[in-house]
Amino acid sequence: DSGVTQTPKHLITATGQRVTLRCSPRSGDLSVYWYQQSLDQGLQFLIQYYNGEERAKGNILERFSAQQFPDLHSELNLSSLELGDSALYFCASSLSSFGPPQHFGDGTRLSIL
Amino acid sequence: DAKTTQPNSMESNEEEPVHLPCNHSTISGTDYIHWYRQLPSQGPEYVIHGLTSNVNNRMASLAIAEDRKSSTLILHRATLRDAAVYYCILEGGSGGSNYKLTFGKGTLLTVNP
Repeated sequence: DSGVTQTPKHLITATGQRVTLRCSPRSGDLSVYWYQQSLDQGLQFLIQYYNGEERAKGNILERFSAQQFPDLHSELNLSSLELGDSALYFCASSLSSFGPPQHFGDGTRLSIL
Repeated sequence: DAKTTQPNSMESNEEEPVHLPCNHSTISGTDYIHWYRQLPSQGPEYVIHGLTSNVNNRMASLAIAEDRKSSTLILHRATLRDAAVYYCILEGGSGGSNYKLTFGKGTLLTVNP
């Protein structure tokens, strides 16, 4: 058990809709990272927050946004959903603001119909 | 951005050593080399990382070439639970839009009983 909790585990919605994915980091970790894993693109880094502030940005679309709250949980908002957004979305956390994450959640599987 | 190249798949027998190679010929001087693995239906799991010197931990060893253009993850005695996709990752940059986090496509390791 990594200590990172992601909800929901599965999400099915339609094109054009908006969804919110939630992540609670491992206790004591201040950094939260979001990744997208699809069959054709592999594992792609989206964005990182550290103690409530955006720390690093990767291949995140403008239709996607994220934030980290004072209690350190994070939400990834995906809007105007397209079929190509179907993927596994992983949240990860670590204590430090530097370097890749140490602990990954089990992901939210998003299916766009 | 620096990229990594890994074999698509490798096979090993249980209780034998496994050497998983990764080429990163365009690595920069400040890039760290990280290895993760992803078991079926789970999020990625951190394995090991290094910069220049070889590294050992309870999970594996990391051997880094002198010119740093390649590295090898060594599992000393493979078990069935080591069957996973292994990712070789370069990490560098200083945050913001220039943050580099490049994942290789990974090597699918099959362990035979």
